[in-house]
Amino acid sequence: QITLKESGPTLVKPTQTLTLTCTFSGFSLSPSAVGVGWIRQPPGKTLEWLAVVYWNDDKRYSPFLKNRLTITKDTSKNQVLLTMTNMDPVDTATYFCAHRQTLTKPFDYWGQGTLVTVSS
Amino acid sequence: DIVMTQSPDSLAVSLGERATINCKSSQSVLNSSNNKNSLAWYQQKPGQPPKLLIYWASTRESGVPDRLSGSGSGTDFTLTISSLQAEDVAVYYCQQYYNTPQTFGQGTKLEIK
Repeated sequence: QITLKESGPTLVKPTQTLTLTCTFSGFSLSPSAVGVGWIRQPPGKTLEWLAVVYWNDDKRYSPFLKNRLTITKDTSKNQVLLTMTNMDPVDTATYFCAHRQTLTKPFDYWGQGTLVTVSS
Repeated sequence: DIVMTQSPDSLAVSLGERATINCKSSQSVLNSSNNKNSLAWYQQKPGQPPKLLIYWASTRESGVPDRLSGSGSGTDFTLTISSLQAEDVAVYYCQQYYNTPQTFGQGTKLEIK
């Protein structure tokens, strides 16, 4: 059974750096054709794809946010981390992590999400 | 980026009636390597993450009722619910996973008339 869970601060101040952790079970990021990605959703708005890391450490980023994002994986801990620098109130959103079986499906298992509010 | 545009933004349908949601991509999402369209449909209910319904434009995810179906190719796609049930009330999103960044439509809110 595949599960994912996001964790991290619920409140950050403008200009601070956000670090979110996705802890997963039921699959491994090594070695298998699997990826874990991050997607966010501002309140009442649509979904925005942020980044993904694959089993072979291939990393892809949203071009719009690429200079602010870093995605890393810790295979031994079954975790994927997302770091976003220079947080702004417009970054207030629910952040989801999700599993992807590469080349066969899009994101098929999602965490419940974590709401991050950016405010001074 | 590939822009995904859904229509309508909201839709009210009577129980048992057909619901149709459209999705248009700004460029083709047909994958030449497998001749499949990299287009997915998700359902999201309040306070929940999105749930994958359809991928490759028309392949139903395991456990998804067969009253939900996807069709289309190239740039124009449709999600059809053949007989609306109360549990189908949700927001529906299309997504292209043809290239990076993967992009989502703005969502269509489906309600009961």
